[in-house]
Amino acid sequence: QSALTQPASVSGSPGQSITISCTGTSSDIGGYNYVSWYQQHPGKAPKLMIYDVSNRPSGVSNRFSGSKSGNTASLTISGLQAEDEADYYCSSYISAGTLVVFGGGTKLTVL
Amino acid sequence: EVQLVESGGGLVQPGRSLRLSCTASGFTFGEHAMSWFRQAPGKGLEWVGFIRSKVFGGTIEYAASVKGRFTISRDDSKNSAYLHMDSLKTEDTAVYYCTRGGGRYCSGGSCYSRWWFDPWGQGTLVTVSS
Repeated sequence: QSALTQPASVSGSPGQSITISCTGTSSDIGGYNYVSWYQQHPGKAPKLMIYDVSNRPSGVSNRFSGSKSGNTASLTISGLQAEDEADYYCSSYISAGTLVVFGGGTKLTVL
Repeated sequence: EVQLVESGGGLVQPGRSLRLSCTASGFTFGEHAMSWFRQAPGKGLEWVGFIRSKVFGGTIEYAASVKGRFTISRDDSKNSAYLHMDSLKTEDTAVYYCTRGGGRYCSGGSCYSRWWFDPWGQGTLVTVSS
């Protein structure tokens, strides 16, 4: 069981927007602005999409955005495209023990 | 281009050891903490541990699941990080990734926490089986 909770799957049609939630506790998401999101296509390495809750690395499309409210972080993808179909993982710093925790991953299907 | 390349994976028997290497290019390796993650077949990502830069003492942190069995090290002269795995178990079977990031980072006189990981290497598969 993962430390952070994500929906197992989400889907949307091309052009639509979807949001993936990631729920933790006050020891991780709620206590720090160190939430990051990773995209992983099958057989490939993860790719950083969002860091520090809402910052986008250079080269990542502005269709990807992140936010946080309380103990829940969210990744929103607008204008869905076929190439967005992938697994998405949230991650957070945690103040005790492990230091870095992940969600179990969300499989995004573009219909 | 910022790049990380892992090597050293393979098939190993339970109880044996294996050392993975991660070679970096395209950035000043010594300024950054380096982290290791793993992903078991069909499963999610798991943090293994990280080693701080020399500026922050080069100290190391491990996940509880590997503490005492795995050792992370670095050789800044070779732009490389290493993951030495002892007493391997079948449940250590996974793709192992090295990444840049973890802990504190200083640049241009400013320091900040860098709890994001980028880039990631291509990964190297470790299979523990008899």
